[in-house]
Amino acid sequence: AQTVTQSQPEMSVQEAETVTLSCTYDTSESDYYLFWYKQPPSRQMILVIRQEAYKQQNATENRFSVNFQKAAKSFSLKISDSQLGDAAMYFCASAVSSGSRLTFGEGTQLTVNP
Amino acid sequence: KAGVTQTPRYLIKTRGQQVTLSCSPISGHRSVSWYQQTPGQGLQFLFEYFSETQRNKGNFPGRFSGRQFSNSRSEMNVSTLELGDSALYLCASSLKGSYGYTFGSGTRLTVV
Repeated sequence: AQTVTQSQPEMSVQEAETVTLSCTYDTSESDYYLFWYKQPPSRQMILVIRQEAYKQQNATENRFSVNFQKAAKSFSLKISDSQLGDAAMYFCASAVSSGSRLTFGEGTQLTVNP
Repeated sequence: KAGVTQTPRYLIKTRGQQVTLSCSPISGHRSVSWYQQTPGQGLQFLFEYFSETQRNKGNFPGRFSGRQFSNSRSEMNVSTLELGDSALYLCASSLKGSYGYTFGSGTRLTVV
């Protein structure tokens, strides 16, 4: 079974600053994916970034990057140059590569202050 | 390319009734999954369908069921509704499994 833990229920950041959201996970699988999803008030879950566990290089998507520490089972999300539109609930999730279900963490509510 | 479409957006039902939610996946996507989101339990996996077959099921009672049609559209049904079934129900579709799920905007179900 997979578990995902987000220990920060809420975070805030000033516009244009950098913020890091934490996530730890546990799995007995050797081949898996890790994800960060964003859920704004519109409710739709939007994929922010994805990491394949077999890749050592940390994934990057524009202002979003991850710090993937496989041995520590840690997968944090860094948002650089934060924008007002980044305000949302952020979910960390994992999935077995051969499977079909996502296991989500509890979520972190990010507030961006102007 | 159209996204994942869920209907209806909002629904109010009475305890004991049944409800059917619909999900139209992205064209070409054959995998459809359903999740329940509540403030107390967070996001929980309900089930996944691929080519009309249920491939994976979460830990929910038998009142929760689903199906997938030949055009990959999926429905989920909840019978004998309970107050605790009030939740946001999210559908996600993918070409193949967990690698690239795209979510819909959900159906907000309120049971009174």
